[in-house]
Amino acid sequence: EAQVTQNPRYLITVTGKKLTVTCSQNMNHEYMSWYRQDPGLGLRQIYYSMNVEVTDKGDVPEGYKVSRKEKRNFPLILESPSPNQTSLYFCASSARGARKGDTQYFGPGTRLTVL
Amino acid sequence: DQQVKQNSPSLSVQEGRISILNCDYTNSMFDYFLWYKKYPAEGPTFLISISSIKDKNEDGRFTVFLNKSAKHLSLHIVPSQPGDSAVYFCAAILNYGGSQGNLIFGKGTKLSVKP
Repeated sequence: EAQVTQNPRYLITVTGKKLTVTCSQNMNHEYMSWYRQDPGLGLRQIYYSMNVEVTDKGDVPEGYKVSRKEKRNFPLILESPSPNQTSLYFCASSARGARKGDTQYFGPGTRLTVL
Repeated sequence: DQQVKQNSPSLSVQEGRISILNCDYTNSMFDYFLWYKKYPAEGPTFLISISSIKDKNEDGRFTVFLNKSAKHLSLHIVPSQPGDSAVYFCAAILNYGGSQGNLIFGKGTKLSVKP
């Protein structure tokens, strides 16, 4: 079954404690992306990757890191989480990019709370 | 400054009638637009898209209209069904320096279709 998986689905942590949210897709997609969803702000893109070893900043990259060492995985790293990073995070992937009708598949979301 | 605006946070429509969801954008460099649908506790799913060289795209009950001069697009759902009740996000892709990855979302409109 084609899917995007994220782990963990729920996480409560404390300020400053490094964490990683993993994202994996089994569709051999080149493009992967991270978003956060906040009430009243909709979805905002954090980082995206057009292919292995190619990453670019989205609209709200501050406080986040990503890496794309292999095609299927695109982890999101919070080196020193802060309460303003409490949010619902979505990972997504598509074959070649976000345009030209390439369907972007989203993961189920990770709800992160930083105390 | 919000580049993709969905000014109606919510919309309520009777089953069988037309739902019209609106989206305005400010950046003339956007050249591709997408609509996503999101149910609670799930990731967004792609619905329909349109290139800036077109003014209309249809897929079953869903039609997207683009008015470039007004920087406005709309999603029409006819006829509306209770299962269409969800949050709808408008998104745009920036054609700047060839980037195909920077996807900018609106805040979303919650559609409620009443039986």
